[in-house]
Amino acid sequence: AQTVTQSQPEMSVQEAETVTLSCTYDTSESDYYLFWYKQPPSRQMILVIRQEAYKQQNATENRFSVNFQKAAKSFSLKISDSQLGDAAMYFCAYRSGWDSGSARQLTFGSGTQLTVLP
Amino acid sequence: DAGVIQSPRHEVTEMGQEVTLRCKPISGHDYLFWYRQTMMRGLELLIYFNNNVPIDDSGMPEDRFSAKMPNASFSTLKIQPSEPRDSAVYFCASSRPPRGKRDQPQHFGDGTRLSIL
Repeated sequence: AQTVTQSQPEMSVQEAETVTLSCTYDTSESDYYLFWYKQPPSRQMILVIRQEAYKQQNATENRFSVNFQKAAKSFSLKISDSQLGDAAMYFCAYRSGWDSGSARQLTFGSGTQLTVLP
Repeated sequence: DAGVIQSPRHEVTEMGQEVTLRCKPISGHDYLFWYRQTMMRGLELLIYFNNNVPIDDSGMPEDRFSAKMPNASFSTLKIQPSEPRDSAVYFCASSRPPRGKRDQPQHFGDGTRLSIL
């Protein structure tokens, strides 16, 4: 079974600064997908960014980027120019590849609560 | 496009009562997932459907929980009888089938906050 670990229960960052959230995972599969979801106090689950394991290039979405280290099974999220609206719980998630015959569901980490300080 | 629609948004009921949570997936999405979020266990999958058929219900905690998907646009999660430990936020999510290697992300509803007294 796959596991996802987020070792930082809480993080804080000054507005306009950069912060990196850590995530590691364990899997024996070669084909999979990784995601970062954001959950603000409204409790919506919002997809922030995703990475296909077969792609070597790190995904970027505006101020959000990832550092995907496949050999190390590490998938960190970098938020640049942090804004007050970035304050939320961030979840790292894993999903098996479609060819693996494994489950389709997301396996989530325990989350990192990000506070943005004005 | 309308997103995943869940109802009710909040539910407060007494233990022993039957609770029914509802979900309307995004049109054209063949996969539907029910997740539960608690402080102790985080986000965990309860069950998921593909083309209205339950594929994996290994996360359903016990026989008190049941889920159905009578058609492509509607699913229910039922708890009978409910217990205080069932208090949680229940999310429904849906996704399209894959297109080659391109993953189709899951889209989540706003969740139902369930409180069992």
